[in-house]
Amino acid sequence: DQQVKQNSPSLSVQEGRISILNCDYTNSMFDYFLWYKKYPAEGPTFLISISSIKDKNEDGRFTVFLNKSAKHLSLHIVPSQPGDSAVYFCAAMGDSNYQLIWGAGTKLIIKP
Amino acid sequence: SAVISQKPSRDICQRGTSLTIQCQVDSQVTMMFWYRQQPGQSLTLIATANQGSEATYESGFVIDKFPISRPNLTFSTLTVSNMSPEDSSIYLCSMEGPGGHEQYFGPGTRLTVT
Repeated sequence: DQQVKQNSPSLSVQEGRISILNCDYTNSMFDYFLWYKKYPAEGPTFLISISSIKDKNEDGRFTVFLNKSAKHLSLHIVPSQPGDSAVYFCAAMGDSNYQLIWGAGTKLIIKP
Repeated sequence: SAVISQKPSRDICQRGTSLTIQCQVDSQVTMMFWYRQQPGQSLTLIATANQGSEATYESGFVIDKFPISRPNLTFSTLTVSNMSPEDSSIYLCSMEGPGGHEQYFGPGTRLTVT
């Protein structure tokens, strides 16, 4: 039972344009949602998070939107840069423990 | 952000042997975590390691197979025991972040069992 789903295995975006990465979840009890970026041969790097009581959080080029009624969140990267090419993971955390539930990841490719 | 190191970065091991992976963080933290990422899959939590108490294992993972030590607030080890090819994975440690919900990860240990 996949509680966190990233349905797009890959996404290709032109440099300078907006990248939109999507994530769906099934458990309405999740408290926090997080986005991580992962380069090959490295551990995931924390990017940005959002509390379930908010609908938007912004940090520089990264903005996360949360739509609780649709159980959907998205990560917007604007403008996209070549260094953004990586695998992006969506993760969720409940309030009863510290376990992060991970999506399968989306490989983002930024074309020059 | 925190600095987390892991040793070894990679290893190739024979089936039936054991490997101990070390994780060192540059600040004192209560909670550290061990994850596994099998080829082509996402991350799966193995266990949570709090200093001064027994590790808490997730469903499907047992202490006899993955013993964990947490001797102080900056260090932890994970042992993969009696290895089989199915244990070939990337093993990652992480620590809780200041916000209490985010985690920071080490670079991972790529294990291949032949």
